[in-house]
Amino acid sequence: AQSVTQPDIHITVSEGASLELRCNYSYGATPYLFWYVQSPGQGLQLLLKYFSGDTLVQGIKGFEAEFKRSQSSFNLRKPSVHWSDAAEYFCAVGDSNYQLIWGAGTKLIIKP
Amino acid sequence: GAVVSQHPSWVICKSGTSVKIECRSLDFQATTMFWYRQFPKQSLMLMATSNEGSKATYEQGVEKDKFLINHASLTLSTLTVTSAHPEDSSFYICSARTDLRGFNTEAFFGQGTRLTVV
Repeated sequence: AQSVTQPDIHITVSEGASLELRCNYSYGATPYLFWYVQSPGQGLQLLLKYFSGDTLVQGIKGFEAEFKRSQSSFNLRKPSVHWSDAAEYFCAVGDSNYQLIWGAGTKLIIKP
Repeated sequence: GAVVSQHPSWVICKSGTSVKIECRSLDFQATTMFWYRQFPKQSLMLMATSNEGSKATYEQGVEKDKFLINHASLTLSTLTVTSAHPEDSSFYICSARTDLRGFNTEAFFGQGTRLTVV
């Protein structure tokens, strides 16, 4: 079955600390992988995507993610978080036509 | 990035009535739009894929007669929840996919519509 697992429902980090949000997937074909951020009152915004090539992908707002095929993972990282990063983060897997399967999301809380 | 406008952002309706939600791509054409439903603390569930000028493709378990989708132009798709019931209360999100190819393809999302059926 195709699925996306984000094992952490919420994560709390201090401002300035590093961040890693976990994402594991199960997908029958070559996966196209995405990370989106959802802020209250705003639509989902694409942070980054992986289609092929370099497995370390750089995104907007200083985020990066690494595709590890052997672990079926696509974890999102940021070296130093800012208070404005507080939001809900969604990992998704699908095809290049954006037929996506979504994880349940991880809520990021920033401690001052 | 491109803008997708979804309207209304929230709506309260009485049980048995119908509600229409609009999704517009403001600065690009979108042959394909997607409609999602999001339950609290859960992931987005794809309801249907809407293609301009043709019938929508519904995901398994989604009642096409209850959730009517119309994609009459390259910039507008509508979702009508017919004979709404309290269990239809949810957050509905649309996204519009650009008509580019390959890696440059991207889907942009509306702000979502909070539907409450009383």
